[in-house]
Amino acid sequence: DTEVTQTPKHLVMGMTNKKSLKCEQHMGHRAMYWYKQKAKKPPELMFVYSYEKLSINESVPSRFSPECPNSSLLNLHLHALQPEDSALYLCASSQDFKRGVQETQYFGPGTRLLVL
Amino acid sequence: QQPVQSPQAVILREGEDAVINCSSSKALYSVHWYRQKHGEAPVFLMILLKGGEQKGHDKISASFNEKKQQSSLYLTASQLSYSGTYFCGTVHAGNMLTFGGGTRLMVKP
Repeated sequence: DTEVTQTPKHLVMGMTNKKSLKCEQHMGHRAMYWYKQKAKKPPELMFVYSYEKLSINESVPSRFSPECPNSSLLNLHLHALQPEDSALYLCASSQDFKRGVQETQYFGPGTRLLVL
Repeated sequence: QQPVQSPQAVILREGEDAVINCSSSKALYSVHWYRQKHGEAPVFLMILLKGGEQKGHDKISASFNEKKQQSSLYLTASQLSYSGTYFCGTVHAGNMLTFGGGTRLMVKP
């Protein structure tokens, strides 16, 4: 089973709202990732968690706050977003994480976010 | 550093072949290929490690030329289901997976 699930599928929020995106995997993977993807562009890495600890933050604005409650779950808390943050947010997981020794990442279906 | 993919877009008739290229200006450790259909998650196709290997399954195969720092994805006898955007992702020593700009492939009946 190589399934990564994400909820919700779609989300519309105002600039003053607080919302959360959820990602789950049951493959026993110890690394989980958040990506942002704009239309017709490749996924851009936001955060990497390895063994439930934040390993990489790609200079993401603080209005995005990741959380890894356990090895199977990854959340992305959203607060005071801007319209330009509208995008597809993808979660991925891999068996392990080491810089330069990239293991296969398995992606979830994404949450399509619209900020009004 | 983002790898460069070519072509940016290609239209095929069912049964035709296609080649998608991915090149880097830096020495590559590995190359990963994904396909993403509209509104869906990127789906892993294959990974190639340095050493100049070639891989394939069904009618999709890929090669990795470490010396030229490039990889090519070969789609043989294309099917309608091959339509989508193909991304290569490259890994350099000490760095994270970085995706190329993508190649949009459309297969028509």
